[in-house]
Amino acid sequence: EIVMTQSPATLSVSPGERATLSCRASQSVSSNLAWYHQKPGQAPRLLIYGASTRATGIPARFSGSGSGTEFTLTISSLQPEDFAVYYCQHYKSWPLTFGGGTKVEIK
Amino acid sequence: EVQLVESGGGLVQPGGSLRLSCAASGFTFSSYAMTWVRQAPGKGLEWVSSISGGGDIIYYADSVKGRFTISRDNSKNTLYLQVNSLRTEDTAIYYCAKGQCTGGVCPLFDYWGQGTLVTVSS
Repeated sequence: EIVMTQSPATLSVSPGERATLSCRASQSVSSNLAWYHQKPGQAPRLLIYGASTRATGIPARFSGSGSGTEFTLTISSLQPEDFAVYYCQHYKSWPLTFGGGTKVEIK
Repeated sequence: EVQLVESGGGLVQPGGSLRLSCAASGFTFSSYAMTWVRQAPGKGLEWVSSISGGGDIIYYADSVKGRFTISRDNSKNTLYLQVNSLRTEDTAIYYCAKGQCTGGVCPLFDYWGQGTLVTVSS
């Protein structure tokens, strides 16, 4: 099983600032990496797949990068609706696994 | 509009069983793999099981293998999860999710339901 580790656990950011979230895989997943965010009381939403491709309807302020074992999600200018928990997920092989999440909170 | 509506959750004693359902609409159900993902209270996401559009390819997490059974009825546009021999650690919101891509068992999920809560407690 591939273990996904996210850091930091919590990120405090002011609206309008840049946020950088990290995700590390215990072995290479190539570019088979997705990012989701989840707002309180809601289901997760797909943001990024293929490490860097934005899903349908996702604003350009969200960008993903990385390959192999190190990945980054960047939110260029945080909007009020972006404060949420962010999860990475690999899909290199079964079983699929998610990271533990990074909570982006208002500073 | 894609809609996924889960049902069937509830309070059950350890060792008990439930059948979760996910009613789908707004897309050609049989063309897409479907998946169950769960989330324990205050915790992260855990993939549980996935099934191909035709129902012929199935995957399970080790934590549920032998106790949970995923299935689908394409004539009813409905996904199921039979959960048996429940343990307290199975307590979670169970989400169904639609595969983003067609063919095989798509491991990316573009639409999710709102979830159904399963509570395992004596």
